[in-house]
Amino acid sequence: GAVVSQHPSRVICKSGTSVKIECRSLDFQATTMFWYRQFPKQSLMLMATSNEGSKATYEQGVEKDKFLINHASLTLSTLTVTSAHPEDSSFYICSAARRRGGGYEQYFGPGTRLTVT
Amino acid sequence: GDSVTQMEGPVTLSEEAFLTINCTYTATGYPSLFWYVQYPGEGLQLLLKATKADDKGSNKGFEATYRKETTSFHLEKGSVQVSDSAVYFCALRIFSGTYKYIFGTGTRLKVLA
Repeated sequence: GAVVSQHPSRVICKSGTSVKIECRSLDFQATTMFWYRQFPKQSLMLMATSNEGSKATYEQGVEKDKFLINHASLTLSTLTVTSAHPEDSSFYICSAARRRGGGYEQYFGPGTRLTVT
Repeated sequence: GDSVTQMEGPVTLSEEAFLTINCTYTATGYPSLFWYVQYPGEGLQLLLKATKADDKGSNKGFEATYRKETTSFHLEKGSVQVSDSAVYFCALRIFSGTYKYIFGTGTRLKVLA
């Protein structure tokens, strides 16, 4: 149980176009979903936190208009990179969190490799 | 602000060697601490966690103890295997209106047969 999927796993797009990445919790309802960006040989950088039905909370330095997050349901969140540029090329990872057994658990998706040419 | 510092890698060990990956943190309040592992081509997986001081998390032969006095959560394994080759991330979780995770930079481990 507790599987999180991301689609697509890899995407190549041209500069100036927009790309949508989906994150789904397959067998549980997620209280919160997180979007991270991972640079080569670096850590995960939290981009934003989203709760179903409410606006995402973006971390400092992350452009809200460039990285649009929609959290339509308890099992689906999307990240849209608008007007992508080569510097947006990165590995994007989502995670879904739920409360369980008095605790709080986070599960990661496999990531999406975005390459902007 | 809140942060996690990990030892830089890569760490290269022979099979059956002892592993330590250092992790220290800075946080206000009382964070929970985690180790995640990322195998090549895969997403992050929770390896172990500890939610309060002196707790010891353990899984698959790996252990880490939450040391509040030294603000550390070092990862150890007595005898590594080739299959342990991966990137290991130390992370903390804090609550500030909502839960938030902060990750270290990751340490790549390579185990040679």
